[in-house]
Amino acid sequence: AQKVTQAQTEISVVEKEDVTLDCVYETRDTTYYLFWYKQPPSGELVFLIRRNSFDEQNEISGRYSWNFQKSTSSFNFTITASQVVDSAVYFCALERTGSARQLTFGSGTQLTVLP
Amino acid sequence: GAVVSQHPSRVICKSGTSVKIECRSLDFQATTMFWYRQFPKQSLMLMATSNEGSKATYEQGVEKDKFLINHASLTLSTLTVTSAHPEDSSFYICSARDTGWSTEAFFGQGTRLTVV
Repeated sequence: AQKVTQAQTEISVVEKEDVTLDCVYETRDTTYYLFWYKQPPSGELVFLIRRNSFDEQNEISGRYSWNFQKSTSSFNFTITASQVVDSAVYFCALERTGSARQLTFGSGTQLTVLP
Repeated sequence: GAVVSQHPSRVICKSGTSVKIECRSLDFQATTMFWYRQFPKQSLMLMATSNEGSKATYEQGVEKDKFLINHASLTLSTLTVTSAHPEDSSFYICSARDTGWSTEAFFGQGTRLTVV
C-alpha cells in the first residue's frame, strides 16, 4: 500500500527565515513519482514539483529546493527566505504506478509566515 | 500549462436535493479524471477514478449510488451528489491527466459544497 506521512501539522516562521517541510513515503513500487503541491486559502492546488524515483538529484527553483533521499524514503521541501505569500497548506503526494496513476496525498503541513 | 476548469466553485443546496459538479479539461484531452474530497483541515482523499466511456472506479467506502460520476467525453467529467445531506458538505476537487500521460495531474479550482 502507498502511504505519505507529513509529520508536521503546522509550522510558523517569521518572514525571511528558512523552513523545511518534511515528507516520508512508503511504497513497494520501484518506479514512482513524488509531488509537492501548494494549497492557498482559496483552495486550488498549485503544482510545485514532480520527481521521478530514479532521479535523486536535488532541485532548486528560486527560493524553493527539494531534497530527495531514496535511502530514507524522504522528499523534503525547503523554502529559503520565506515570505508572507508562502503561507499555505503544502501537500506531498505519491503517484501510483500502473494504468490508473492516482495520487496519494500526505496530510499536509500548514505553513504560516508571520511578517 | 494545461487548464482544468471546475464549476461551480461554490454551491449551497438543501438537504435531499442533488448537486452536479463539472470538471472540464480546456486545452487537452483527458482519458482519466480523478475526484477527490477534502474535509476542513484534512488531506485530499481520492473518491473515484473516472475513465472516458466506461464506469468509474470507486475507492473503498465511497457510495457509488450517492456519488454518480459520468465521463462522457474526453474533456468533461461530472460528479453528482445525490440526495445530499449536511455530512456531504465538503470541498470537492477534480484532476485530469492528458492522454499522453506526459506530466503532472492538473487540478480544478475545487467546489465547496454546503448542504443545509
